Amino acid sequence: GQNIDQPTEMTATEGAIVQINCTYQTSGFNGLFWYQQHAGEAPTFLSYNVLDGLEEKGRFSSFLSRSKGYSYLLLKELQMKDSASYLCAVEDSNYQLIWGAGTKLIIKP
Amino acid sequence: IAGITQAPTSQILAAGRRMTLRCTQDMRHNAMYWYRQDLGLGLRLIHYSNTAGTTGKGEVPDGYSVSRANTDDFPLTLASAVPSQTSVYFCASSDEGSSGGHTDTQYFGPGTRLTVL
Repeated sequence: GQNIDQPTEMTATEGAIVQINCTYQTSGFNGLFWYQQHAGEAPTFLSYNVLDGLEEKGRFSSFLSRSKGYSYLLLKELQMKDSASYLCAVEDSNYQLIWGAGTKLIIKP
Repeated sequence: IAGITQAPTSQILAAGRRMTLRCTQDMRHNAMYWYRQDLGLGLRLIHYSNTAGTTGKGEVPDGYSVSRANTDDFPLTLASAVPSQTSVYFCASSDEGSSGGHTDTQYFGPGTRLTVL
């Protein structure tokens, strides 16, 4: 079967750094996406990784290790507006997205 | 219209009734998708369309049907709603779908919150 695992909830402090992990077991791999979803809103695209390594985009970075079936999203200089759910999705061999249940990130002042 | 719109925003529906959720995009994207999102579960694909005139089944297609008569619109119909179809429904689109050999970034509509009683 296909499986995407993420922690259900994480708490961090404003100004700090947080790492959200995602492990996957899918039938094939053609890339991994991270999306942000604020409560009651639509998911919005954050990052895409297809090769191993770190992709940096401002305060957000995403890392991929295909051999380990592992990715993480790193958020630096946390702001209150970063309180949201972060969704990991893997593109399988049929180029369909398989989604994790999401990690709810709570930022405390 | 900018991006993707969905209608209605929310709906309460009696079991057994027929319901169509509407989705329109103005980005001229080839591919469109319908997902449902339930608490504790990831987004689950219901149906998709790689291009106008074609549709495909996703992970949870039973009880749902779609059509893609043109590029912009992708309605989702529940022929006879049941309580287990209570969920938040998201429509999404991407420039290319799986038929292009890769999936581009998907852009989501604001969602429809559906309650079936």
